[in-house]
Amino acid sequence: GAVVSQHPSWVICKSGTSVKIECRSLDFQATTMFWYRQFPKQSLMLMATSNEGSKATYEQGVEKDKFLINHASLTLSTLTVTSAHPEDSSFYICSARDNSQFFGPGTRLTVL
Amino acid sequence: QKEVEQDPGPLSVPEGAIVSLNCTYSNSAFQYFMWYRQYSRKGPELLMYTYSSGNKEDGRFTAQVDKSSKYISLFIRDSQPSDSATYLCALYTGANNLFFGTGTRLTVIP
Repeated sequence: GAVVSQHPSWVICKSGTSVKIECRSLDFQATTMFWYRQFPKQSLMLMATSNEGSKATYEQGVEKDKFLINHASLTLSTLTVTSAHPEDSSFYICSARDNSQFFGPGTRLTVL
Repeated sequence: QKEVEQDPGPLSVPEGAIVSLNCTYSNSAFQYFMWYRQYSRKGPELLMYTYSSGNKEDGRFTAQVDKSSKYISLFIRDSQPSDSATYLCALYTGANNLFFGTGTRLTVIP
């Protein structure tokens, strides 16, 4: 199947700092990518849909000024968590759709 | 009522057992049905993908879809300890986004 990569795989940061997570589709072009958040022992929660060359579409309850999404090319989308706080600590997973939907390995964010 | 219902388990079986994982759904617009496997602290991995009623087999895995009952299943034959993971069903209408079940945590005991 198609491969989606994420970087970094884990990050620890201080409260108030910003963290950028990259998502790349390695062997296909993705006009649409998705960002999910997953808390321990829970299923994936869609945060936003990222469209190449246009603004992301955020799910209800997700602060677009806090979670900045940029989909600059057909193979790269970035999620920036601005002014991160401990409650933002979570597992962030991106996904891209080819014929089916493929997920990246996830990024574990810990905010101290 | 949730779009997709899945028993969260946990489910423990002995090695070699046949495992049955199930999801039910309410929206008849779902046309595509997927099963993902997620190991702890990893992203979901696509296991099976079907778009019609019936069975689809891939090695030890069989996906079954019954659109009339709005019921999908994943069967794992000859289960192995390496199958221990959380299994998520995911449904898709063809537009918009995937709808996930809550996931079933499976443990295969050696």
